Amino acid sequence: DADVTQTPRNRITKTGKRIMLECSQTKGHDRMYWYRQDPGLGLRLIYYSFDVKDINKGEISDGYSVSRQAQAKFSLSLESAIPNQTALYFCATSQGLAVLAEQFFGPGTRLTVL
Amino acid sequence: GESVGLHLPTLSVQEGDNSIINCAYSNSASDYFIWYKQESGKGPQFIIDIRSNMDKRQGQRVTVLLNKTVKHLSLQIAATQPGDSAVYFCAENSGGSNYKLTFGKGTLLTVNP
Repeated sequence: DADVTQTPRNRITKTGKRIMLECSQTKGHDRMYWYRQDPGLGLRLIYYSFDVKDINKGEISDGYSVSRQAQAKFSLSLESAIPNQTALYFCATSQGLAVLAEQFFGPGTRLTVL
Repeated sequence: GESVGLHLPTLSVQEGDNSIINCAYSNSASDYFIWYKQESGKGPQFIIDIRSNMDKRQGQRVTVLLNKTVKHLSLQIAATQPGDSAVYFCAENSGGSNYKLTFGKGTLLTVNP
C-alpha cells in the first residue's frame, strides 16, 4: 500500500471553479508539503505544514489555500482555478523535529484548467 | 536569491556505462542535499542524500559527491541500466533548522540499450 496517497489522480476543470486536491499519509510524519511541477521549472513549493496547527506559505502560494485537517491529511484548494494553474501537483511528507530527512512524495495529481 | 540549478538538462548514455549528473547550488549555508529520481508518471523517489560535513557518500550503484568550495553536487550512477532512465533532481535544504527543500530543474537521463 502506498504511504502517501493523492486524490484525484487526474482532474479537468474550468476557469473559475473551486478545486480541492487531497493528500493522505500513513507514515506518521508531522510535516507535509504541497508542490507544483511545470515542465522546465522543477518542483516549486506552494505551502507546507510542520504540524496540525502550523501552516506556512511557500514560494508560490498566491491563488492557493491549504487545510491540515489532521496529522495524516493535508488538502490543497484552488478557490477560483485559472489556466496557468494547469500543472502536476505533488504532496510530500517528512519526519519532523530537527531531523534532516528525505521527503516522501505521493504519485501526483494532474490538473488541467480549461 | 538563492537557487539550485543543473548544468545539463539532458544526458544520454549507453547501457553499462557510468553516468554523471551535475548540480550547482548557490546557497553557501545549505547543509543537506538530496538526489531524487522521477520516472514518467510517478512522484520523485529518494536516491541518496548527503550532509554538508561529508564530501562523498555511496549507495548501491550510486555515489554522491559534494564540493563545497565550488558549490557543486554530482550523482554518479555505475553500470547504468535502462531502468535508470528518468529525470533526476537535486535538492538542497534552504530552510536551515526549518528544513525546506529547494529543487533544481532536473536532468533527463536516457539509457540506450
